[in-house]
Amino acid sequence: NAGVTQTPKFQVLKTGQSMTLQCAQDMNHEYMSWYRQDPGMGLRLIHYSVGAGITDQGEVPNGYNVSRSTTEDFPLRLLSAAPSQTSVYFCASRLTGESGSNQPQHFGDGTRLSIL
Amino acid sequence: QKEVEQDPGPLSVPEGAIVSLNCTYSNSAFQYFMWYRQYSRKGPELLMYTYSSGNKEDGRFTAQVDKSSKYISLFIRDSQPSDSATYLCAMRGNNAGNMLTFGGGTRLMVKP
Repeated sequence: NAGVTQTPKFQVLKTGQSMTLQCAQDMNHEYMSWYRQDPGMGLRLIHYSVGAGITDQGEVPNGYNVSRSTTEDFPLRLLSAAPSQTSVYFCASRLTGESGSNQPQHFGDGTRLSIL
Repeated sequence: QKEVEQDPGPLSVPEGAIVSLNCTYSNSAFQYFMWYRQYSRKGPELLMYTYSSGNKEDGRFTAQVDKSSKYISLFIRDSQPSDSATYLCAMRGNNAGNMLTFGGGTRLMVKP
């Protein structure tokens, strides 16, 4: 059972470049989300999805796009990378519904992204 | 002011000590309170989950929630070097998407 898998683990980009951070889960979780973690800031929600075809914005959505075509995958796209997007990005998933609201979120091990 | 405040540490204690980690918050709508442990270069993993006020114990870990003071705590008894990690508090209300709000994390070091 792989859980939540994020790729790549590390990436360096130049300002203005675009890229996609991949996230896949094999637990049949409906709820998936993307966070960024910056020193002293904790984790901040970027976007989330409650199921295939449904996405919504979190606390810090600007500069990022998401889509959810399958239950398993939830990619995060940086359209035009900026130095302010240098961060560690975490994908998480959990069950939804009555049982899901009390279920823990399972996190991947993160993608460390540097924008030069 | 952040919604959730957490002392960043680092907090250094000797092995076997009792550790107290704390968070304060400002949003009275928060009802669900969690503590996550995060090892270096890993994702957070859930340690404790508490609904509303009260205490919850799980092995060496005890979580306390005082909603009247907007204050939550995590106690670790008989701390071990393997407890060395960053501890994040997180909380949410019954908001759309059940979004979590995280504290900044406290780095704990337990010395043998």
